[in-house]
Amino acid sequence: AQRVTQPEKLLSVFKGAPVELKCNYSYSGSPELFWYVQYSRQRLQLLLRHISRESIKGFTADLNKGETSFHLKKPFAQEEDSAMYYCALSTGFQKLVFGTGTRLLVSP
Amino acid sequence: DAGVIQSPRHEVTEMGQEVTLRCKPISGHNSLFWYRQTMMRGLELLIYFNNNVPIDDSGMPEDRFSAKMPNASFSTLKIQPSEPRDSAVYFCASSSGGPNEQYFGPGTRLTVT
Repeated sequence: AQRVTQPEKLLSVFKGAPVELKCNYSYSGSPELFWYVQYSRQRLQLLLRHISRESIKGFTADLNKGETSFHLKKPFAQEEDSAMYYCALSTGFQKLVFGTGTRLLVSP
Repeated sequence: DAGVIQSPRHEVTEMGQEVTLRCKPISGHNSLFWYRQTMMRGLELLIYFNNNVPIDDSGMPEDRFSAKMPNASFSTLKIQPSEPRDSAVYFCASSSGGPNEQYFGPGTRLTVT
């Protein structure tokens, strides 16, 4: 069965500290992975997808098929990064399986 | 473009009542998704449509839940009868198909007392 695991419900860091939001997946096929973000009082929106191999707002994520992981990283956290982050797995046919989410809190 | 539109934004109802949530997808998108968000379970896919046809409803919790998409610009999610455990935020999202970005609505916060 397809599954996405985000082990941390809350991650609290200070401004300027490195951030790593963990995501592990379970899928027997070729996965497509995404990170979605929900800022306070805003809609859930796509942050980045692994096939794009891009950096968005300083965030990057590398797909590691050996470890079945897709961790989200940023070298220096900013207060405006505080939000709810969801890792999602596309299993084809447009369906996304989301993790339970990690709330990132960046303190000044 | 106003994006995905959902109504109502908030709904408070008593147990046993019927609840209808509404969604208007982005024009031109041919896929529509209904999700439920709770603290315990995160974001769960309830059902999704492609070209107005339900493709996968395996996430619908039980027969009390039903969803329709009578045309390309409108969908409803109905709960009848509602129960307190249905309290959650319900999101609608649309996409242009394939493994493409899903665009989410603002959500409907449902409280069943």
